[in-house]
Amino acid sequence: GDSVTQMEGPVTLSEEAFLTINCTYTATGYPSLFWYVQYPGEGLQLLLKATKADDKGSNKGFEATYRKETTSFHLEKGSVQVSDSAVYFCALCGLSYNTDKLIFGTGTRLQVFP
Amino acid sequence: EPEVTQTPSHQVTQMGQEVILRCVPISNHLYFYWYRQILGQKVEFLVSFYNNEISEKSEIFDDQFSVERPDGSNFTLKIRSTKLEDSAMYFCASSEGQGGTTDTQYFGPGTRLTVL
Repeated sequence: GDSVTQMEGPVTLSEEAFLTINCTYTATGYPSLFWYVQYPGEGLQLLLKATKADDKGSNKGFEATYRKETTSFHLEKGSVQVSDSAVYFCALCGLSYNTDKLIFGTGTRLQVFP
Repeated sequence: EPEVTQTPSHQVTQMGQEVILRCVPISNHLYFYWYRQILGQKVEFLVSFYNNEISEKSEIFDDQFSVERPDGSNFTLKIRSTKLEDSAMYFCASSEGQGGTTDTQYFGPGTRLTVL
């Protein structure tokens, strides 16, 4: 069935390091793709999204490009901060007619140390 | 900034008891959702709700579960007879209702349900 696969965490980085969190998906049709972030003690917040192939979503220095040919939506940031420490979820939506449910990956915990 | 709120933040109950988890979606939103996350596992879709009826539900959402929008602001998830395996974090979400796959879902902070 349709699914999202994320790299396992935790990802541990020093401040100002480059971040990549891999996300690939399996789907029929043309889903929209999302990255959500969950800070400690808080709910899921939308970080960025892309709705069609080759779209690039960006927010707060994070970027991800919808790659249909590799079915990927990897999250990147050029220079992480301690405040970026959180759990990051890749998700897709819109796999079949009349559905808008999100299908999530397992989440990747990012820990950034000063 | 408008946000989705959920109460309680933590609910502890005995197996077999009924629980009601409450959510207040963003006020002008039309679509409502429940998701859950068992510890260490994926966030899973439970149900979506629009125009006072369920628009889609997952296999998890069996007869023990029900949803309701009892007034103009609350959206509730009821579990009639809780099981140990219902222990999870339950997230409520809402979206504006443009419809389709590009609509953004806004999530609440979650209710942690512990079934003993």
